[in-house]
Amino acid sequence: AQSVTQLDSHVSVSEGTPVLLRCNYSSSYSPSLFWYVQHPNKGLQLLLKYTSAATLVKGINGFEAEFKKSETSFHLTKPSAHMSDAAEYFCVVSDPAGTASKLTFGTGTRLQVTL
Amino acid sequence: GAVVSQHPSWVICKSGTSVKIECRSLDFQATTMFWYRQFPKQSLMLMATSNEGSKATYEQGVEKDKFLINHASLTLSTLTVTSAHPEDSSFYICSAGRPKGVNTEAFFGQGTRLTVV
Repeated sequence: AQSVTQLDSHVSVSEGTPVLLRCNYSSSYSPSLFWYVQHPNKGLQLLLKYTSAATLVKGINGFEAEFKKSETSFHLTKPSAHMSDAAEYFCVVSDPAGTASKLTFGTGTRLQVTL
Repeated sequence: GAVVSQHPSWVICKSGTSVKIECRSLDFQATTMFWYRQFPKQSLMLMATSNEGSKATYEQGVEKDKFLINHASLTLSTLTVTSAHPEDSSFYICSAGRPKGVNTEAFFGQGTRLTVV
C-alpha cells in the first residue's frame, strides 16, 4: 500500500520569502512522486515529478523538490514566493513506479502569500 | 504537452436527474482514464479506473450503478451520475495516462463542478 502525508494543511508566507511544503510518503515499491498545484476551481497542473533519476527535481515556476529515501520525504521548495503561487498543492505518489496508473493524493496544503 | 479536456466545467441539476461528464484526450490515445472526486477543501479520491473497451474498475465504496463509466473509444470516457442527489455535489476530475517511454504520465482535465439542487 502507498500513502502520502502532507504535514501542513495551511502555510502562509510573505511575498519574496522562501516556501517549504512538506510531504512524507510510504510505498512498498520504488515510488514515483509528484507535486501538483490547483488554483481555485481549476484542474490540476503538474509542477514536477520524481521517477528514480536525479534526487533533486526542478519543476516549473521556480519550484523544486528533493527526494530523500532515508527520510521518506519529498518536500517542495521555492526560494522566493510570488503572489501567483497562492493555491492548493498536492503531493502524490504512484505505485508501481513510473506507471502513474494509480495515484494516491495527499490531503493538500493551501499556500497563502501575503504582501 | 498533452491536453485532456473535460466538459462541462460546471453543471447545476435537479435532484433525481442524471448528469453526464465527458473526458477527452485531445492529442493522444488513452487506453486508461481515471475519475476522481474532490469534496470542498479535501483531497482527490480515486473513484474508478476507466478502461477502453472493457468495464471500469471501481474503488471500494463507490456505487457502480450510480456512477456509470463508459470508455467507448481511445479518446473519450464519460461519467454519468445517475439519479443525482445533493450529496453528489462535488468537483469531479478526470485524468488520462499517456505512455512516455517506460513510464506513463497522467494529464488532468480542468474538472467539473456539479451542484445538485
